[in-house]
Amino acid sequence: GNSVTQMEGPVTLSEEAFLTINCTYTATGYPSLFWYVQYPGEGLQLLLKATKADDKGSNKGFEATYRKETTSFHLEKGSVQVSDSAVYFCALTPNTGNQFYFGTGTSLTVIP
Amino acid sequence: ETGVTQTPRHLVMGMTNKKSLKCEQHLGHNAMYWYKQSAKKPLELMFVYNFKEQTENNSVPSRFSPECPNSSHLFLHLHTLQPEDSALYLCASSQDLAGAIQNIQYFGAGTRLSVL
Repeated sequence: GNSVTQMEGPVTLSEEAFLTINCTYTATGYPSLFWYVQYPGEGLQLLLKATKADDKGSNKGFEATYRKETTSFHLEKGSVQVSDSAVYFCALTPNTGNQFYFGTGTSLTVIP
Repeated sequence: ETGVTQTPRHLVMGMTNKKSLKCEQHLGHNAMYWYKQSAKKPLELMFVYNFKEQTENNSVPSRFSPECPNSSHLFLHLHTLQPEDSALYLCASSQDLAGAIQNIQYFGAGTRLSVL
């Protein structure tokens, strides 16, 4: 079946610290992978995506690389800011079927 | 503003009430989705519509009844809910169904539902 597992939070970091949020997946075939972000009081927004192995998605200083050999799509940022405080969701969609599959979300708080 | 608008933003209802959640998308998308977001759980897909036709119903109890009158509007009718149905209900849309390459979902801000 299809599923996404991401590290449990909450994660608390100081401003300018390095961020890693782990995500691994199980899927049939070759899925597309996504990171979504949810700011307080808002819906989910696409942060970045990758559609094939070894692709690197990037946006707003965040990066994630599609690793087929380890079935992973870890989110990284070199220097976090207070404005990055949010909940981050890893997700996949298989190449067939009608569904997106989301992880449980990881809450990040960045303190000044 | 993502182009997907949900109303109301907050709703409190008793177990015997009937209420409806509304979602509208201004993106010209063909597919629309209802999700339930509960604390510490993955997003739960409830229903999928494509060109107004329901394509997925993930074993959702009948006290939740979706309606999609056109590709831009999606409703979730609620009746005789239980306290465990309290959650954030998110609507999303995408150009086509999930399996399409490069497809992206756009989410509304959600309706925070509390069932007393």
